Amino acid sequence: GIQVEQSPPDLILQEGANSTLRCNFSDSVNNLQWFHQNPWGQLINLFYIPSGTKQNGRLSATTVATERYSLLYISSSQTTDSGVYFCAVRMNYGGATNKLIFGTGTLLAVQP
Amino acid sequence: GAVVSQHPSWVICKSGTSVKIECRSLDFQATTMFWYRQFPKQSLMLMATSNEGSKATYEQGVEKDKFLINHASLTLSTLTVTSAHPEDSSFYICSARPTGNTEAFFGQGTRLTVV
Repeated sequence: GIQVEQSPPDLILQEGANSTLRCNFSDSVNNLQWFHQNPWGQLINLFYIPSGTKQNGRLSATTVATERYSLLYISSSQTTDSGVYFCAVRMNYGGATNKLIFGTGTLLAVQP
Repeated sequence: GAVVSQHPSWVICKSGTSVKIECRSLDFQATTMFWYRQFPKQSLMLMATSNEGSKATYEQGVEKDKFLINHASLTLSTLTVTSAHPEDSSFYICSARPTGNTEAFFGQGTRLTVV
């Protein structure tokens, strides 16, 4: 099956710093999403980005589908950004039942 | 975005009993819902795909007789953990995608502890 690897696995930042999280996938995909999992376990949708670049406030994401990777940028990090960041992909098949496969995750800790 | 509600948020049960978890899409219809399990400090692993009006599709290694899935309507899927054991303790999360939409939305998750 498809492999979805994220790097780095862990990241510690000082408040105000910038960071880049990476998601590599081993096969063609037609959907890629980034999520933030908060300390209570809730998955918060950050981006739906099968290709191209999107920005939302301090966060932005870029997916280069032909090279099978996506990047999540966090600028001016805040302590509330702490948590686990997941990318998830859906393979390039047709139909509504395609599965969303999650990456390995990046645990981010932002220190004051 | 679309709202997915999961209930209960947490549950403690005794070994050997069964526990039912509900997943509802509040403002959209979903012919397909997905159930994931997450162990501490690990990623989400897909357990099964819930199909409205038909049998669920289980991932390899997931016991269908232990994890019963029912998708009786376009807004409700349930996961029943039967004869629960301590090793079933985990965080269970459901997901749904509005028809015609490719973005998936997730419930709040259910933390199951079997004692």
